Amino acid sequence: DADVTQTPRNRITKTGKRIMLECSQTKGHDRMYWYRQDPGLGLQLIYYSFDVKDINKGEISDGYSVSRQAQAKFSLSLESAIPNQTALYFCATSDWNTGELFFGEGSRLTVL
Amino acid sequence: GENVEQHPSTLSVQEGDSAVIKCTYSDSASNYFPWYKQELGKRPQLIIDIRSNVGEKKDQRIAVTLNKTAKHFSLHITETQPEDSAVYFCAASWEAGNMLTFGGGTRLMVKP
Repeated sequence: DADVTQTPRNRITKTGKRIMLECSQTKGHDRMYWYRQDPGLGLQLIYYSFDVKDINKGEISDGYSVSRQAQAKFSLSLESAIPNQTALYFCATSDWNTGELFFGEGSRLTVL
Repeated sequence: GENVEQHPSTLSVQEGDSAVIKCTYSDSASNYFPWYKQELGKRPQLIIDIRSNVGEKKDQRIAVTLNKTAKHFSLHITETQPEDSAVYFCAASWEAGNMLTFGGGTRLMVKP
């Protein structure tokens, strides 16, 4: 079954550490996204990419960077993690025609 | 940029009653309005969407209405069931396939 896979699913780290969250998809979609979910704040867009050579900042890109290694892979990095980056992170892909977002299972990050 | 506000943040109803969740948006150029449902511990999934050329759309017990003049849209769930308990997110974008701006979410609790 075509899906969106995120690793790791859970991570606890310390302030100042570099963290990478990885996302791979077998849906064949060109468009990929990273969202952050905090209670009461909905889903905030961090970065998005419409194809391999395209990277765009979202609403809350400060403190984050991304890499689109291939059509199927889109990774999110926190160069120097801080406690207010503790959140649930979702990768998603979308069909350019219907616009439907397909989310991964999420990566819960805790920064101590 | 687009700003989407969603109300209420929590909603508790008795099984069998109706539930209504409302969203307002700021960008009059927005034309695509999806709703996502996120069950506890799961990923968000699209349940229904509406485009600006349509005022209402229905799918079994759920319906969405759109008022472009007032820049608001609503999700209606009739005959609620315990399995409707979840967090619901509204979103808006200028067209399907482009980046979405999400509302803050509504936690719906259906009491048996």
